[in-house]
Amino acid sequence: DAGVIQSPRHEVTEMGQEVTLRCKPISGHDYLFWYRQTMMRGLELLIYFNNNVPIDDSGMPEDRFSAKMPNASFSTLKIQPSEPRDSAVYFCASSYGGLGFQHFGDGTRLSIL
Amino acid sequence: QQPVQSPQAVILREGEDAVINCSSSKALYSVHWYRQKHGEAPVFLMILLKGGEQKGHEKISASFNEKKQQSSLYLTASQLSYSGTYFCGTEGWGGKLIFGQGTELSVKP
Repeated sequence: DAGVIQSPRHEVTEMGQEVTLRCKPISGHDYLFWYRQTMMRGLELLIYFNNNVPIDDSGMPEDRFSAKMPNASFSTLKIQPSEPRDSAVYFCASSYGGLGFQHFGDGTRLSIL
Repeated sequence: QQPVQSPQAVILREGEDAVINCSSSKALYSVHWYRQKHGEAPVFLMILLKGGEQKGHEKISASFNEKKQQSSLYLTASQLSYSGTYFCGTEGWGGKLIFGQGTELSVKP
C-alpha cells in the first residue's frame, strides 16, 4: 500500500520566493497533519485537518504560512515570502479516526538561502 | 506545554535494557511514542490512553501514570535496530499532540 507521499523531497530557493509543499495522505485517512522539524525547536505541529477542515492552526508561525486541503487526497503548505529561518524538514502525516497511529511521509528538506 | 523527556541521550550494548521517561505539566488524555531513525520519518510505536488502554508495538512496552502526567517507555533486550531518536507526544484536552525534544538511543554491538 502506498504511504503518505510528499513532494518535493528537497527544495532549495532564495529568500523571498514562494514555496509550495505538497502532500497526498493515505487513502481513507481522515486526519492530515503538517509538522516542521529543526534541531532547535524539535518536531512542531503547524496545522491539522479533519475531513479537509482545518481544526488547529495555532502552530502556524505567522501569516507567511498557509495550508489548504481542497479534497481528501491532497494538501499544500505554502510559505510566501520565504525566509532563511524557515529552513527545516517539513513532514506531512495522516491518520484514521484521531491523533494516534499517524503515518508520516518522507518529508521535504527545505533550504532558504 | 512541551513535555520533558529524560534522558536526552543513552548508549547501550546489545541486550541491555533502557527506560525513557516523558513528563508533562498538564493533564493528559493520551501519550504517544514514536521512533525516528537518522534521516528518516518518525514511525509510530505506541499509544497509551487515559484509563489504561495501550495499543502498539509488540516488543516494546510502556506505562502511563495519569495522576503524575508521566509516561515511561521500556526497551528490553535492546537490538541494534532499536537505535534512533524516541519522541513522546502528549495529548491534552485541547485535542492537540505536542512532541517532546526526543531521546537519542544508540545501541552498540
